[in-house]
Amino acid sequence: GDSVTQMEGPVTLSEEAFLTINCTYTATGYPSLFWYVQYPGEGLQLLLKATKADDKGSNKGFEATYRKETTSFHLEKGSVQVSDSAVYFCASSGGSYIPTFGRGTSLIVHP
Amino acid sequence: NAGVTQTPKFRVLKTGQSMTLLCAQDMNHEYMYWYRQDPGMGLRLIHYSVGEGTTAKGEVPDGYNVSRLKKQNFLLGLESAAPSQTSVYFCASSYAGFNPTGELFFGEGSRLTVL
Repeated sequence: GDSVTQMEGPVTLSEEAFLTINCTYTATGYPSLFWYVQYPGEGLQLLLKATKADDKGSNKGFEATYRKETTSFHLEKGSVQVSDSAVYFCASSGGSYIPTFGRGTSLIVHP
Repeated sequence: NAGVTQTPKFRVLKTGQSMTLLCAQDMNHEYMYWYRQDPGMGLRLIHYSVGEGTTAKGEVPDGYNVSRLKKQNFLLGLESAAPSQTSVYFCASSYAGFNPTGELFFGEGSRLTVL
């Protein structure tokens, strides 16, 4: 079946550092790919998405590119802020519309 | 826009008690989902529904029942609560009409503690 694997955390960075959170997927066909963010005490909300190969999703300084050849959708940000501290979930959604989530990566940004 | 609303936000139960979590969405979405979130386990799908009057089992359905009598509501029931059901529960919905992307819209969560 479909699966999503993302790097385990926590990832701890200093403010203004570069962030990469790796995500790879296995799926039949060409799913849509998503990054969701969960701030403390809140539900998940969509951060960005890409619906086809080579698409780049971007939002709030975060970016991820849908790489079909490497089945990856890595999340990047050039300069993180304390307010980016949260849990980040990678997810895929194929034809069944039952999404597959990774286990989440906790990001902690220190001042 | 309310989006996805879950009630209650917090609840403490004793082992063996029953309760129902209510999820309501105002986006006319066809698909609705119930997840539980536990430390180190990510999100696990309990049950889902692809339309009014239909439900299906997810990854961890045991000990839970669901109903979708109205399109906008998805109820999650615990008939006899157990400490293993202590968790944070999230409801979500998604659009399944023309050219859907599969994006989920989540509620804020319901924290359940079973003593």
